[in-house]
Amino acid sequence: QKEVEQNSGPLSVPEGAIASLNCTYSDRVSQSFFWYRQYSGKSPELIMSIYSNGDKEDGRFTAQLNKASQYVSLLIRDSQPSDSATYLCAVKRTGGFKTIFGAGTRLFVKA
Amino acid sequence: EPEVTQTPSHQVTQMGQEVILRCVPISNHLYFYWYRQILGQKVEFLVSFYNNEISEKSEIFDDQFSVERPDGSNFTLKIRSTKLEDSAMYFCASSENPPLGVAGGTYNEQFFGPGTRLTVL
Repeated sequence: QKEVEQNSGPLSVPEGAIASLNCTYSDRVSQSFFWYRQYSGKSPELIMSIYSNGDKEDGRFTAQLNKASQYVSLLIRDSQPSDSATYLCAVKRTGGFKTIFGAGTRLFVKA
Repeated sequence: EPEVTQTPSHQVTQMGQEVILRCVPISNHLYFYWYRQILGQKVEFLVSFYNNEISEKSEIFDDQFSVERPDGSNFTLKIRSTKLEDSAMYFCASSENPPLGVAGGTYNEQFFGPGTRLTVL
């Protein structure tokens, strides 16, 4: 079982739509959850972090966490072509410095 | 806005040679990390470093790897004898705080540098 699983995509949405990206993790002691955006050939860029069950909103982005279901998601509202990238889900267990990344979901936003 | 910087952007080396990858973390950050990403694969944790000590390392980080903070600003990754399979992007990251569950721990948001592309021939 993979530690952090994401649908590889590609996920294609029209400009202005909501993009929904999902992630599941296997380690129940995971405590910190992150979404990174990675453009081709570039480094990961932190978008959101979430630690408590529920929703966390930041601008057009909403992260959702359900620890009972071991599930994290990222919603991107009013998607723009510039949002086209690979979105990486990352997980860290309590007391651990190691961040475990999923393989990422490729998002295409069509103009 | 402060950022992590890395040099060189691209390093080409012969198999068996030693390479040193350099990073300058964000100035008020105390926790430093190295990750690698083989082309087309996921980002993999190598090592974390705090207070001149390794705080955690992965199984990838074997005896051919070492890290050092030689002065107050630089953080380096040395690969002693490079192999073909070491070819990858190497990312340095830094964070201000330790992770939850560690004394003083909080969000531990890590910020990545632009990476060094290492090509081993």
